[in-house]
Amino acid sequence: QKEVEQNSGPLSVPEGAIASLNCTYSDRGSQSFFWYRQYSGKSPELIMSIYSNGDKEDGRFTAQLNKASQYVSLLIRDSQPSDSATYLCAVNRRNTDKLIFGTGTRLQVFP
Amino acid sequence: GAGVSQTPSNKVTEKGKYVELRCDPISGHTALYWYRQSLGQGPEFLIYFQGTGAADDSGLPNDRFFAVRPEGSVSTLKIQRTERGDSAVYLCASSLGSPGATNEKLFFGSGTQLSVL
Repeated sequence: QKEVEQNSGPLSVPEGAIASLNCTYSDRGSQSFFWYRQYSGKSPELIMSIYSNGDKEDGRFTAQLNKASQYVSLLIRDSQPSDSATYLCAVNRRNTDKLIFGTGTRLQVFP
Repeated sequence: GAGVSQTPSNKVTEKGKYVELRCDPISGHTALYWYRQSLGQGPEFLIYFQGTGAADDSGLPNDRFFAVRPEGSVSTLKIQRTERGDSAVYLCASSLGSPGATNEKLFFGSGTQLSVL
C-alpha cells in the first residue's frame, strides 16, 4: 500500500463546475497535509495546507481533512480551464520533516 | 536570488558516468530538499538538509547517490555510475523551516531533467 494514494485521473469537469480531488494516506500519525498544483513541465506550487479536521477555504479552493478516515480532499469551485493541471497531495508525518507525495490527479477543465 | 535555482536544466549522460546537479536555494532558507520525479509520478523524497547537515537521507535509493551542502546554502546532488533507471527530473526545494512544524511554504526549483542513455 502506498503511503499517499490518489486517483491518477484524468478528472474532466466543465468550466464553472466543482472539481473534487481526493487523497488517502496510510500513516495515522500524519499531521500536516498539503495540496500542490503542477502544470505540465513545471515544478509543483503550494496551493493549500491543512492541519486540523474540517474545512479550510481560500478563494475558490477548499481543503477538507478527516483524520479518522485518513482522508483529505480539495474542492475547486467555479473551475476554469486554467485550473487544468496535476494536483499533488502531500503528507508530512509527525516528527519528520519530509513531505510524501501522491502520484497526483490530472484535472482537465473543458470550456 | 528570487527563487530556487537549479543547474543544469537538462543533463544527458551515458550509462556509467558521474553527474552533479546543483541547487541554489532562496537566500536565508535553512531547509533544503531533493526530490526525484519520474514521468506520471509524484515527487519522491531523496534527502533533506537543515543547515549543513543531512537531517534525513532515508530516500536515497542506494550508495551511488550522495548530496552535500557544505556551507548551508548551495547543495550538490552527486550520482555515481549512472544507470538508465536514474533518468528523471530532479527537483530541489527550500523553505525557511520545516513544512510540517511551522507551516512554512516549500518552494521548488524548475528541476534538472536527467537523461541516462
